[in-house]
Amino acid sequence: TQLLEQSPQFLSIQEGENLTVYCNSSSVFSSLQWYRQEPGEGPVLLVTVVTGGEVKKLKRLTFQFGDARKDSSLHITAAQPGDTGLYLCAGATDSWGKLQFGAGTQVVVTP
Amino acid sequence: KAGVTQTPRYLIKTRGQQVTLSCSPISGHRSVSWYQQTPGQGLQFLFEYFSETQRNKGNFPGRFSGRQFSNSRSEMNVSTLELGDSALYLCASSSTSGTRYEQYFGPGTRLTVT
Repeated sequence: TQLLEQSPQFLSIQEGENLTVYCNSSSVFSSLQWYRQEPGEGPVLLVTVVTGGEVKKLKRLTFQFGDARKDSSLHITAAQPGDTGLYLCAGATDSWGKLQFGAGTQVVVTP
Repeated sequence: KAGVTQTPRYLIKTRGQQVTLSCSPISGHRSVSWYQQTPGQGLQFLFEYFSETQRNKGNFPGRFSGRQFSNSRSEMNVSTLELGDSALYLCASSSTSGTRYEQYFGPGTRLTVT
């Protein structure tokens, strides 16, 4: 059972379009991470958000943490083929060393 | 700073055999967590080690075990392999200092059980 629900599961867009991925939970997290994973590789950390309402920007990527620290979103502006990958959100609680992962959103950006 | 390394990258085993996977964390990181990733279940937490002690364990059978050495390197062992153990096994290290908790993953070990 996934405590973190990601939507959509799959997203296929053209280069230059915008996209948003959502991560929702009924649980409160002390922090939330977003990762991108390529096939056969480990997830690569993109950002960590800690404070409710926090917004972080990483070039064309914008991450937001909900006020209640239960949900988050990732927005990509003017997507490029290099943005293709599996995007995973993961929440940290007070459980040592354990991140709760969402099922992931597969993003495909075609030229 | 070198990232998390995992060996081997690929492994093929037969049902009933056992396997040992190795993970070297980022220098200075003392916490190592292990995850199993499958298409159907996503990333599932196996266990976490800190200072050679297992602090947390996920819902996996006792066939899955691990340990951590004094240099923070970690190994996980799976005994009596089953077909369903085929997965990407990921190790992640983290620093326990500061208020921001972040895990950095290795490239994983792809285990195929035939």
